[in-house]
Amino acid sequence: SSELTQDPAVSVALGQTVRITCQGDSLRSYYASWYQQKPGQAPVLVIYGKNNRPSGIPDRFSGSSSGNTASLTITGAQAEDEADYYCNSRDSSGNRRVFGTGTKVTVL
Amino acid sequence: EVQLVESGGGLVKPGGSLRLSCAASGFTFSSYSMNWVRQAPGKGLEWVSSISSSSSYIYYADSVKGRFTISRDNAKNSLYLQMNSLRAEDTAVYYCARESKVIYGDYVYWFDPWGQGTLVTVSS
Repeated sequence: SSELTQDPAVSVALGQTVRITCQGDSLRSYYASWYQQKPGQAPVLVIYGKNNRPSGIPDRFSGSSSGNTASLTITGAQAEDEADYYCNSRDSSGNRRVFGTGTKVTVL
Repeated sequence: EVQLVESGGGLVKPGGSLRLSCAASGFTFSSYSMNWVRQAPGKGLEWVSSISSSSSYIYYADSVKGRFTISRDNAKNSLYLQMNSLRAEDTAVYYCARESKVIYGDYVYWFDPWGQGTLVTVSS
């Protein structure tokens, strides 16, 4: 399968922890990368590989992976973390790229 | 500063054509694979096409295969997407994105940076 499935929406209280998951067969072979997108803006890379953060991304963002599931965790969510989050990986062939269905994170 | 700037979007009639461009600066363009990603209004991200650094490897999503053609000019630091036989469902913001990879045991890939996007509207 070349699909990556995410929960459509999650909410988190300010300062609490939220985990966003991404499921797909190809994740058994390829790491996911994660992107944050705020309204009207281009996506921004937040996590890649096993658990790597680009410079400028706060350390409250972390990634993990197990089997066919990749996860993005925000520890101590802030108001500015409210956004859509997408995972991305290769498909099972390794040639095509595929995005997850996206998760809208609301910070209460 | 590493930067990608898309251009060429606009309003086109169904069945028409459009050519998008992406100008790269601040990095060695010829060393990276490049991708087009689109986002229909109110929808999620959809990968469209990728091209390797030397244009040797090109891949398309099934939704655009046979209608869209990706290309690049490394001398001009530019990426292109020729879109033919456009349909209403091709209406979207189109982003170009640089793809990086590294080996951490396994290959790790990611898109960074992204351009600001260019809007393509297919409507009569």
